[in-house]
Amino acid sequence: EVQLVQSGAEVKKPGESLKISCKGSGYSFTNYWIGWVRQMPGKGLEWMGIIFPDDSDTRYSPTFQGQVTMSADKSISTAYLQWSSLKPSDTAMYYCARQKSNYRDWFDPWGQGTLVTVSS
Amino acid sequence: EIVMTQSPATLSVSPGERATLSCRASQSVSSNLAWYQQKPGQTPRLLIYEASTRATGIPARFSGSGSGTEFTLTISSLQSEDFAVYYCQQYNNWPPHTFGQGTKLEIK
Repeated sequence: EVQLVQSGAEVKKPGESLKISCKGSGYSFTNYWIGWVRQMPGKGLEWMGIIFPDDSDTRYSPTFQGQVTMSADKSISTAYLQWSSLKPSDTAMYYCARQKSNYRDWFDPWGQGTLVTVSS
Repeated sequence: EIVMTQSPATLSVSPGERATLSCRASQSVSSNLAWYQQKPGQTPRLLIYEASTRATGIPARFSGSGSGTEFTLTISSLQSEDFAVYYCQQYNNWPPHTFGQGTKLEIK
């Protein structure tokens, strides 16, 4: 079974750093993109960016370029999303999702989500 | 960046009736469009890809149509479990592969 399992919920203070993870299993991790999607409380889905774990080719949405960093460690089939200095506006649920190797493809499946809360 | 606009924002329909949800792209996305369902507190689930192909395990009452800039998701006979938020996503141009703002399907 193809699965993406994300790290647990985080509570952080403004200015702190954070790295959350998404571990793939049940498929060849290096043959698929991993995308990240933000969902702020009560709001819709926002496409943040995507990484191809085999060569770490990364594409960011202009909205999120410079705000977050995506990375991957293919040796342990895990992708990461990190912040160097969190803001309260980063409070959201973050999902990872798999996309086929073609850049014109959809997300399936999705991870269970990681809730990030940033508050002083 | 391609903007995806969904309408209506909220749709009230009775169980057993048909629901029609719309999604419009600011420029042509060919048939590179997906639909997702999200129930409260749950992860989004893929329903439709390539504008009209049902994902594995999705009931036949869900159907998608359209190409270019105009797309429709139809649920032929609403079941109680279908009341949720539905999002369209274009994956023709990136970055980003933009989502619509969602349509909330509620019980009338």
